[in-house]
Formats: sequence, C-alpha cells, structure tokens
Amino acid sequence: AQKVTQAQTEISVVEKEDVTLDCVYETRDTTYYLFWYKQPPSGELVFLIRRNSFDEQNEISGRYSWNFQKSTSSFNFTITASQVVDSAVYFCALSERDYGGATNKLIFGTGTLLAVQP
Amino acid sequence: DGGITQSPKYLFRKEGQNVTLSCEQNLNHDAMYWYRQDPGQGLRLIYYSQIVNDFQKGDIAEGYSVSREKKESFPLTVTSAQKNPTAFYLCASSPPGQGNSPLHFGNGTRLTVT
Repeated sequence: AQKVTQAQTEISVVEKEDVTLDCVYETRDTTYYLFWYKQPPSGELVFLIRRNSFDEQNEISGRYSWNFQKSTSSFNFTITASQVVDSAVYFCALSERDYGGATNKLIFGTGTLLAVQP
Repeated sequence: DGGITQSPKYLFRKEGQNVTLSCEQNLNHDAMYWYRQDPGQGLRLIYYSQIVNDFQKGDIAEGYSVSREKKESFPLTVTSAQKNPTAFYLCASSPPGQGNSPLHFGNGTRLTVT
C-alpha cells in the first residue's frame, strides 16, 4: 500500500526561527515521485518541489531546503529564517501507481499547519 | 495568464439538492482531477480524467458524478446521495506524464450543505 504520513499537525514558531516539516512515505515501487505543496489561507495549492526516487541529492531554493532519504523513507522540508508569509498548510505527496503504472495522481499526507508569529 | 478557474468560491445548498461545481483550465492540459479536502484528512481523490470523454473513479467517488466533454472543462456534480457533502473541493490539471508532472490547482470551492 502507498501512504504518506505527516505526523506534525500544527507547528508554531516565531519569525526568524528555522522549522522542519516531516514527511514519511510508504511505497513498494522503485520509481516514484515526491512533492511538497503549500496551501496559503486563500486555498489554492502551490507546487514547491518534485523529487524522483533516484535523486537523493538535497535541494536548496532560497530559504527552503529539502532532505530526501530513501533509507528512512523520508522527505523533510526545512524553512530557514521563517517569515510570517510562510504561514500556511504544507502538504507532502507521493505519486500513485495503478494497474497501468505510475500516474500523475497524488496521495497526500494530512498536512502540517505552520503558524509563524511576528 | 494560464490557470485553473473554479467557481463559485462559496456555495450553499439545501440537503437533497444536487449541485455542480465548475472547473475550467486554459493550460492545455490533458488530465484533470477533483479532490476533496476535509479538516485533518488531507486531500482525497474523487474523480480524474486523463483525456476527453474518459474519466475514472478515485478513492471516494460515491455520491459524485463528472463529465469531460471538452478538454478545458471538468465539472463535478455533488448529488443528494453524497452523505457528507460539506467540504472544500479542489480541481487540478496536469500534462501527460508518468508520475513526474506536478498538478496545478485552482482556488477551490467551499460547499456548505444544510
């Protein structure tokens, strides 16, 4: 079975603190894709990053960084020097496989609500 | 600008009435999806369509119906058979791919049924 677990339901930090959002996934596939999305209060999901299962290099984009570790089936997301504008719900997702193979359907975790206080 | 438009943003209906949520995209994407979001449950797939005139059930299709007569449109009907229709509904689209194409989402429709 495929599954994504985001154990942190809510996190509250003060501006400029670093914060890490955890994501653990389960899959039997050898080829898969992992994603992070941000959902601000306005509601739409904004794509942040995609990682394929063969690329374990960490990625940094400005204040955002991602740590992908296949050995622990984790794909954690760190925000450095958090800002109030980072307040949102963050979702981790895994590409779903069906009878036809890999698809663009996503299995989402339950999300982590990040509140950054000024 | 290309994107996905969902309308209306807020929708109120009485129990027992069917209601149709609109989703239009001008990204020229082949695939479209409907997800439902409930507090604490993340997003769950209702229906998806990989090509015009074809669609498949997702994990929670009961009480919902869709059509895909045009590439740019994928309306979702919430029928009276859906036992718990109050939720936030998100439409998405993607180009063809094997799991590597990110989904593009609309702003969502919040449906309240009383």
